[in-house]
Amino acid sequence: DAGVTQSPTHLIKTRGQQVTLRCSPKSGHDTVSWYQQALGQGPQFIFQYYEEEERQRGNFPDRFSGHQFPNYSSELNVNALLLGDSALYLCASSFRTSGYYEQYFGPGTRLTVT
Amino acid sequence: GQQVMQIPQYQHVQEGEDFTTYCNSSTTLSNIQWYKQRPGGHPVFLIQLVKSGEVKKQKRLTFQFGEAKKNSSLHITATQTTDVGTYFCADQERGGSEKLVFGKGTKLTVNP
Repeated sequence: DAGVTQSPTHLIKTRGQQVTLRCSPKSGHDTVSWYQQALGQGPQFIFQYYEEEERQRGNFPDRFSGHQFPNYSSELNVNALLLGDSALYLCASSFRTSGYYEQYFGPGTRLTVT
Repeated sequence: GQQVMQIPQYQHVQEGEDFTTYCNSSTTLSNIQWYKQRPGGHPVFLIQLVKSGEVKKQKRLTFQFGEAKKNSSLHITATQTTDVGTYFCADQERGGSEKLVFGKGTKLTVNP
């Protein structure tokens, strides 16, 4: 049973460029959340996708956008990259129920903006 | 907005010593999840606490949720080198997306 996978593992971009990160959720999971983890900090919620719609958004600008596909995989897009966007981007998947649930994190994509 | 404070930021112990990290909030926490992140790794779910005063144990790890649901703790008895990593608490919002609000974590190093 494959866990959460993310690609690429590492990425180097220049200020002003655009980037797309990809995530495949754990088998059986239908919800994908994206988090940004700066060095030495806890992960910060960017947004969550369920049924191909953005359900909730954290305190991130519109430069951050996403998408969920019918197979539940997801993409995170960041436009007009800033130096401050350098971070580990984590995807977490879960199965949406009416109760509480644990989230399974992928290995992350390390983005460096120069 | 919702904030979760975690202390200490760093903790260095000798192997065999105990370790405790604390998670606090000025507002009532919905439910607390604890994660461990090894150096260079990603957060891995450890446990979830939902009820006021709840205590759960996993081998050498003991998790507590405060009576007022404003604090939580993780205690490790007799640390081992395999316990090295950063321990995060996260409050999971109820309703909507159930997003996680993470503390800044406690980085544990263990001297063999």
